[in-house]
Amino acid sequence: DILMTQSPSSVSASVGDRVTITCRASQDIDTWLAWYQQKPGRAPRLLISDASRLQSGVPSRFSGSGSGTDFTLTITSLQPEDFASYFCQQSHSFPWTFGQGTKVEV
Amino acid sequence: QVQLVESGGRLVKPGESLRLSCAASGFTFSDYYMSWIRQAPGKGLEWVSYIGSRGGPTTYTDSVKGRFIISRDNAKNSLTLQMNSLRAEDTAVYYCAREGDGYKAPFDWWGQGTLVIVSS
Repeated sequence: DILMTQSPSSVSASVGDRVTITCRASQDIDTWLAWYQQKPGRAPRLLISDASRLQSGVPSRFSGSGSGTDFTLTITSLQPEDFASYFCQQSHSFPWTFGQGTKVEV
Repeated sequence: QVQLVESGGRLVKPGESLRLSCAASGFTFSDYYMSWIRQAPGKGLEWVSYIGSRGGPTTYTDSVKGRFIISRDNAKNSLTLQMNSLRAEDTAVYYCAREGDGYKAPFDWWGQGTLVIVSS
């Protein structure tokens, strides 16, 4: 199985900050990587597919980059509604696997 | 709009069975691959099972192989997960999720989840 390792596991930030979350795959997954946002008690929401493709309706302050084994999710100018957990997921090969999550908190 | 609504979660004892359902609407259900994904309390996400748009192929994560069965009824726009021989470690919120358009697409729509608790 492909192991997805996110860092940090949590980050303290303030409104207006730039936040960067890293996801590392245990093997080359090309750009078969997605990022999700999850708020407490809610289902995850797809933010980015193919490592860098922003989904419709997702604010442009979110961006993704990377390929191979190293990927980054960046939130520029953090907004109050962005305090949440973020997960990466690979779809290179079964079983699909997720990172353990990064909680962005005040 | 796209809606996925799970049901069937409840408290069961170890070794018992449970059937989860997911009702889909707002899109052509038979065009999409579907998955079940679970999240144990306070934990991360774990993909459980996947089914092709016409009912096959199906695949499962190792920990549920031989115990869980995924199926779908495209005439009724419904997805099912039959869970047998349940264990404490199966305790989680179970989400049904749609795989988006395209090859190896990520999950673009999720239901609100249904909670399964396995405890004596």
